[in-house]
Amino acid sequence: SQQGEEDPQALSIQEGENATMNCSYKTSINNLQWYRQNSGRGLVHLILIRSNEREKHSGRLRVTLDTSKKSSSLLITASRAADTASYFCATVNNNDMRFGAGTRLTVKP
Amino acid sequence: DSGVTQTPKHLITATGQRVTLRCSPRSGDLSVYWYQQSLDQGLQFLIQYYNGEERAKGNILERFSAQQFPDLHSELNLSSLELGDSALYFCASSADSLAGVTQYFGPGTRLTVL
Repeated sequence: SQQGEEDPQALSIQEGENATMNCSYKTSINNLQWYRQNSGRGLVHLILIRSNEREKHSGRLRVTLDTSKKSSSLLITASRAADTASYFCATVNNNDMRFGAGTRLTVKP
Repeated sequence: DSGVTQTPKHLITATGQRVTLRCSPRSGDLSVYWYQQSLDQGLQFLIQYYNGEERAKGNILERFSAQQFPDLHSELNLSSLELGDSALYFCASSADSLAGVTQYFGPGTRLTVL
C-alpha cells in the first residue's frame, strides 16, 4: 500500500515557469525522498530531506518538509522541457519505504 | 546510468508459468531492493536483501520469492503467474541496509503475462 499521496496527479506548464508538487503522508517518518522517473525508465533519486530538516536545495530543486502537517513540496524553478517526467515522493519510517502515486509533469517548450 | 543492471529487459510469458528476473547491484552496494510498478497499484516495495540476508519484506506475494547470492547479485522468482502480475519490475541497490539511504534503480524488466 502507498503512504505518500502526490498532488496534483498531473501538471502541465510552459518552459520557464515554476512547478510545484506536493506530497502528503500519514505516519511519522525518518526522512522523505523525491525521485524522478522518465517514461518506462528506472527512478532517479533527486533529494532526501530528514525529519528534522525544513528545507533543502539542490540546483533548481527546492524541497520543504512540514512534519506537523505531514506534507512536503517539491519546487522546480525555471522548468525545462527535459524536466518532463513523473515525480514520486517516498517516505521512510524505520526500515519501511513507501512511494506515492506520483505527479506527471509536462513542460511544454 | 545508475550502475544497476537488470536482465532481461522484456519478458513475455503465459499464465501459470514461472520466470526469474536478475539484478546486479552497483559495485560496492550490499543492499538490493525489488519493486513492482503497475498502472493500478503504483510502485510497490516487494523485498530487500542485505549482504545475502533478507532484511525487509513489503507487499510480496507468496508466489514470489527472491534471493541474494554471495556475489551480491539477486534474483526475483515469480511463479504461477497471473495476468495481474504484468508490470515493470525494478531492482535498486544501496550502500547499506537502511531504507532511508539513496537507492539507485535499474532500468527495469517489463513482464507481460498473456
